[in-house]
Amino acid sequence: KNQVEQSPQSLIILEGKNCTLQCNYTVSPFSNLRWYKQDTGRGPVSLTIMTFSENTKSNGRYTATLDADTKQSSLHITASQLSDSASYICVVSASLGTYKYIFGTGTRLKVLA
Amino acid sequence: NAGVTQTPKFRVLKTGQSMTLLCAQDMNHEYMYWYRQDPGMGLRLIHYSVGEGTTAKGEVPDGYNVSRLKKQNFLLGLESAAPSQTSVYFCASSRTVRDQPQHFGDGTRLSIL
Repeated sequence: KNQVEQSPQSLIILEGKNCTLQCNYTVSPFSNLRWYKQDTGRGPVSLTIMTFSENTKSNGRYTATLDADTKQSSLHITASQLSDSASYICVVSASLGTYKYIFGTGTRLKVLA
Repeated sequence: NAGVTQTPKFRVLKTGQSMTLLCAQDMNHEYMYWYRQDPGMGLRLIHYSVGEGTTAKGEVPDGYNVSRLKKQNFLLGLESAAPSQTSVYFCASSRTVRDQPQHFGDGTRLSIL
């Protein structure tokens, strides 16, 4: 069964600290993996998209890693800011003749001053 | 830079009423999607379209209908609203199917009483 599991469910950190969010998937055949940031009351906004051959991709203070062998991805946030408070959603795409997108339930991050 | 625009932003309906949610994109994307987001669950695909004049069922299509008469617009209809359809509805678009839903609107918050 194609599944995407994210951990932790929620996380509270102090401003300026780093954090890492995890995404484990059992999706086959794998096509790509995307991380989204969703602010409260807004739609998801894409942060990065990674294909099978990519190990690391950065977008400012956000760095995503992908280990296709262990089927794990992480999103590392450096020097967190109050504006990083949001839900972070991992989505894995499976190429099954047509494409199927499996959404994780997200990690809710709260950054405190 | 409008991107994906959804109307209305909020709506309250009574059980049995009908309504149409509107989605417009200005990026000339071929692919458009309707999702619902419920607490504790990942986004679930309701219907999608691979181009003007086409529609297809997603994971949870029952109780919904869609139309894509123009490339830039994707409409989601509820024929006879039920309390189980209380949710936040997101429209999304992408240039290619492999890109996954790239751009999301800010959602329509729908309550069915």
